[in-house]
Amino acid sequence: QQPVQSPQAVILREGEDAVINCSSSKALYSVHWYRQKHGEAPVFLMILLKGGEQKGHDKISASFNEKKQQSSLYLTASQLSYSGTYFCGTLSGNQFYFGTGTSLTVIP
Amino acid sequence: ETGVTQTPRHLVMGMTNKKSLKCEQHLGHNAMYWYKQSAKKPLELMFVYSLEERVENNSVPSRFSPECPNSSHLFLHLHTLQPEDSALYLCASSQEASYNEQFFGPGTRLTVL
Repeated sequence: QQPVQSPQAVILREGEDAVINCSSSKALYSVHWYRQKHGEAPVFLMILLKGGEQKGHDKISASFNEKKQQSSLYLTASQLSYSGTYFCGTLSGNQFYFGTGTSLTVIP
Repeated sequence: ETGVTQTPRHLVMGMTNKKSLKCEQHLGHNAMYWYKQSAKKPLELMFVYSLEERVENNSVPSRFSPECPNSSHLFLHLHTLQPEDSALYLCASSQEASYNEQFFGPGTRLTVL
């Protein structure tokens, strides 16, 4: 069962913040976040394991609420380079699914 | 050399053709994956190999046949495809078959006429 992401698309001005949500109907072991720029391969951002930890690097961080089977990706002070499609991936049992994707566009 | 390479980058084939997609990873990983990416659809996991053994086969039609001769190479053999199989086919690798940090190749853009 694929996780659902929201919003489907968002447009930001440079410097603004954004939150992307990922929700699953199944109990999750881990949540994975990737970014794919147009015409390029997806690139790994981070993994969050069961335990509710929050991870981050630079101005991109994420949280994982295992009770709600949800994860959120936080982008602060967005830069033009943040534009792309963000995918969450969820691991439940031995089943791995990518989410529906969120298109993020940062404009000057 | 880039971590994961795929050839060809573009492929056009008729429904009666037989072709193969190739993936090679130079990262020393022991797990490899095939994904299908269609427009407006999530990335779909097709096959997972760990130490050259297939560990996942997500209800993929038999017209797609994977092969993993060693931990560095992965093939996807295609025959009698349908137009709806047109998509971007992505290969990925990771250190273990636990879906940890996956490194993706650039993909093969397949068009079935």
